[in-house]
Amino acid sequence: GDSVTQTEGPVTVSESESLIINCTYSATSIAYPNLFWYVRYPGEGLQLLLKVITAGQKGSSRGFEATYNKETTSFHLQKASVQESDSAVYYCALGDRSGGSNYKLTFGKGTLLTVTP
Amino acid sequence: GGIITQTPKFLIGQEGQKLTLKCQQNFNHDTMYWYRQDSGKGLRLIYYSITENDLQKGDLSEGYDASREKKSSFSLTVTSAQKNEMAVFLCASSIWGGNYAEQFFGPGTRLTVL
Repeated sequence: GDSVTQTEGPVTVSESESLIINCTYSATSIAYPNLFWYVRYPGEGLQLLLKVITAGQKGSSRGFEATYNKETTSFHLQKASVQESDSAVYYCALGDRSGGSNYKLTFGKGTLLTVTP
Repeated sequence: GGIITQTPKFLIGQEGQKLTLKCQQNFNHDTMYWYRQDSGKGLRLIYYSITENDLQKGDLSEGYDASREKKSSFSLTVTSAQKNEMAVFLCASSIWGGNYAEQFFGPGTRLTVL
C-alpha cells in the first residue's frame, strides 16, 4: 500500500540553526502523487504549510522549502534558519492527483520540533 | 474563508458506550473526512464522504459508523468505546481543484474512555 515515513521526533534545534525533516514515501497505487507538509502549531488546528503537485518542483512557505524528488521518493522539509515560532508538529502527506472528489491523504506519523532560544 | 466546527471539544465516556462526534463546515466543500490521531501514530482515516449521503470506509473504519445527512455536516459514532481509550478525532473538508485538494481541519475532539 501507500505509506509515508518521516523523521521520528522529537527534534530539538537552536534558534537560527538549519533544519531538515526527512520524508520518504511509497506510492504503489498512485500514478501521480501530490506531496504536502501540514503543520500544527501549539493551540492551533492542523493547517497546510506547503504543497507540490508535480515531481521535480519545489514548494515554499514561511521560509520552509521542500522538493518533490521522484527518483529518491523523497520530500524533505528544510529551513536555513529556524525561529522559536517554528516550534510545532510537522506532518508529511501523500495524495493522489487522479482521485478527484475521492481525494485522500496518507499521513506520516508527525515530527515534533522544538526550537530553543 | 470558512471554518470547521467540531463538537464536543472534550468527550468522556464509559466502556461499551456509544458516543457521537459532530462536525460542521461552512466552506461548501464536497468532501469531508474523519481522522483519528494517536500519539506516535499520525493521522489515520476512519471514514470519508464525497457528497451528501455518501460514505466511504478508510483504513480504520471498524468500530465506527458515520453519517452525512447534509453537505455541511458529518457525524462519527464510536459504536462501543474501549476502556482506557484516548485519542483525538479530527474532522476535515476539501474540494477538488483539478490537480489536488487541500484539506482544512477542525480543532478536534479529545476522547477519553474511563
